[in-house]
Amino acid sequence: DIQMTQSPSSLSASVGDRVTITCRTSQMIATYVNWYQQQPGKAPKLLIHGASNLQSGVPSRFSGSGSETEFTLTISSLQPEDFATYYCQQTYFTPLFGPGTKVNIK
Amino acid sequence: QEQLVQSGAEVRKPWASVKVSCKASEYTFANYFIHWVRQSPAQGLEWMGWINPNSGGTNLAQKFQGSVTMTRDASISTVYMELRSVTSADTAIYYCAREKLATGDRGTFDIWGQGTMITVSS
Repeated sequence: DIQMTQSPSSLSASVGDRVTITCRTSQMIATYVNWYQQQPGKAPKLLIHGASNLQSGVPSRFSGSGSETEFTLTISSLQPEDFATYYCQQTYFTPLFGPGTKVNIK
Repeated sequence: QEQLVQSGAEVRKPWASVKVSCKASEYTFANYFIHWVRQSPAQGLEWMGWINPNSGGTNLAQKFQGSVTMTRDASISTVYMELRSVTSADTAIYYCAREKLATGDRGTFDIWGQGTMITVSS
């Protein structure tokens, strides 16, 4: 079975910081990775699909890259509303989510 | 706007059944697969399966085969997920989610319901 990891598991950052989250998979999956943001008490929200495609309505400070086994989500300038938990998800096989990265206020 | 609205929180005793509804609005119900995802502290986000609202066909994750049934009532744009013989391990938030079109995969979710908390307790 495919395994997914995210690093770091949590981070502390300030408004305006550039933040990068990494997702790794145990098998090659081309660009079948999505990124979701989840605020406390809310459902996940799709940010990036197909590794690098910005979902409609999502601010351009969010970007994604990578292929095969290593993927990154970058927030170019962290805003107050971006403090949340971020999940990667692979859809090459049966959908599977990563364990999440919590972005905290420094 | 396009949305999915789920039924409210439920409490069940072990070995009971529970059925959660998910009503779609402001889009063509038959055109989009609906998936169910659950979230718990122990297991994180866990994909359960999908239903094709047009045909009623389903595909369940292996873990849930035999314990989960997904159905739909197209006349009211609603899908249902029934979980049988629940245990404490089934305590979680259950989400329905709409599959995004034209991604080439069967697992990108562009609209989510608000979630339904299912608590299993004796």
